[in-house]
Amino acid sequence: SAVISQKPSRDICQRGTSLTIQCQVDSQVTMMFWYRQQPGQSLTLIATANQGSEATYESGFVIDKFPISRPNLTFSTLTVSNMSPEDSSIYLCSAGPPLNTGELFFGEGSRLTVL
Amino acid sequence: GDSVTQMEGPVTLSEEAFLTINCTYTATGYPSLFWYVQYPGEGLQLLLKATKADDKGSNKGFEATYRKETTSFHLEKGSVQVSDSAVYFCALKGSSGSARQLTFGSGTQLTVLP
Repeated sequence: SAVISQKPSRDICQRGTSLTIQCQVDSQVTMMFWYRQQPGQSLTLIATANQGSEATYESGFVIDKFPISRPNLTFSTLTVSNMSPEDSSIYLCSAGPPLNTGELFFGEGSRLTVL
Repeated sequence: GDSVTQMEGPVTLSEEAFLTINCTYTATGYPSLFWYVQYPGEGLQLLLKATKADDKGSNKGFEATYRKETTSFHLEKGSVQVSDSAVYFCALKGSSGSARQLTFGSGTQLTVLP
């Protein structure tokens, strides 16, 4: 198993600013992902965070808007850039074993509100 | 593409009632199926899984059977407790090599009253 810590747990941000969310895993994992959960909706994968290389983004998400870093196996950051109210959401970090079996561990999420 | 359709909530039950949360899916090949649970103030946790047809996943009194003929993976529990109050997500992992992600349903909020 893995315990995932995210911070901040919540924040209120002004339009046009950027915020970086940090994700720390307590054990070495191969797969790390970032999801978005918009109010009343399901989880949508933003990107796969790759160690030491550029993240792999899903359709509809771009690096300029959601830059991601993963300097080592246990840490990743997601930045939400130039925020607008439409970015108000819960952002979830998740991690899983190398085989990507679908058995993921999730952080508690970071709830962002953009005014 | 892959998709998961989940019973809409919220669902409110009395303690010891029987629970069913419906989940159907669309996917090519043979996906793996999951139920995740999100308790208040916590992250999602894997509740149970099934990786092939007719498999039954079970955990904490919850069960779900992978039914390929009906493309379903309904979650059931015979007697719910107040502590089961949470949001439940059905999800699938595609079987193709390029399926990086889990596809989630919309979630079902369950409230169990004492």
